[in-house]
Amino acid sequence: RKEVEQDPGPFNVPEGATVAFNCTYSNSASQSFFWYRQDCRKEPKLLMSVYSSGNEDGRFTAQLNRASQYISLLIRDSKLSDSATYLCVVNRGGYSTLTFGKGTMLLVSP
Amino acid sequence: GAGVSQSPSNKVTEKGKDVELRCDPISGHTALYWYRQSLGQGLEFLIYFQGNSAPDKSGLPSDRFSAERTGGSVSTLTIQRTQQEDSAVYLCASSLIAGQADEQYFGPGTRLTVT
Repeated sequence: RKEVEQDPGPFNVPEGATVAFNCTYSNSASQSFFWYRQDCRKEPKLLMSVYSSGNEDGRFTAQLNRASQYISLLIRDSKLSDSATYLCVVNRGGYSTLTFGKGTMLLVSP
Repeated sequence: GAGVSQSPSNKVTEKGKDVELRCDPISGHTALYWYRQSLGQGLEFLIYFQGNSAPDKSGLPSDRFSAERTGGSVSTLTIQRTQQEDSAVYLCASSLIAGQADEQYFGPGTRLTVT
């Protein structure tokens, strides 16, 4: 089983749609979870951290299910500017280093 | 403020040559990370520095790869006797401390092409 697995997509959605991505991780010792966003040919940038209780930032909601070892990201009211690859990121157990999923591509169309 | 910078932005080299890639982290960031990303692939962790020491080198793919960091700041990643499979974007990131919940800030990357 890969350390972090994501559906590569692409997810094609119209503007205004709600879309959800899931991610599973294999290391039960992982403690920190993030969603990063990567635009085409650009570097990744932190979108949001994922907390045990779930957290929301505007149109974005992240959830963590430790028992099932999966993380989700929900985007409401999609904008054209949301088109990007969304990377699920998990720390490597007791280390500070992060393991990145291969990403899920989102394409929002007019 | 200034972000993470990397140089060169692009590097084309012939197979068998050595290359050096440079990373300038955000001032005051003690942790520095190197990754590489091949076309259509995810980020592959290479090495992590805390200050000048490298507690985790587990991602270096072979002994042709080495990295150092001096003065707790600039880092260089060296690839000796480059091979075509080394072609990728090499990304550097830094974080304030090596805490588990720390955001990593990425540089724009160096695109390496080995011909």
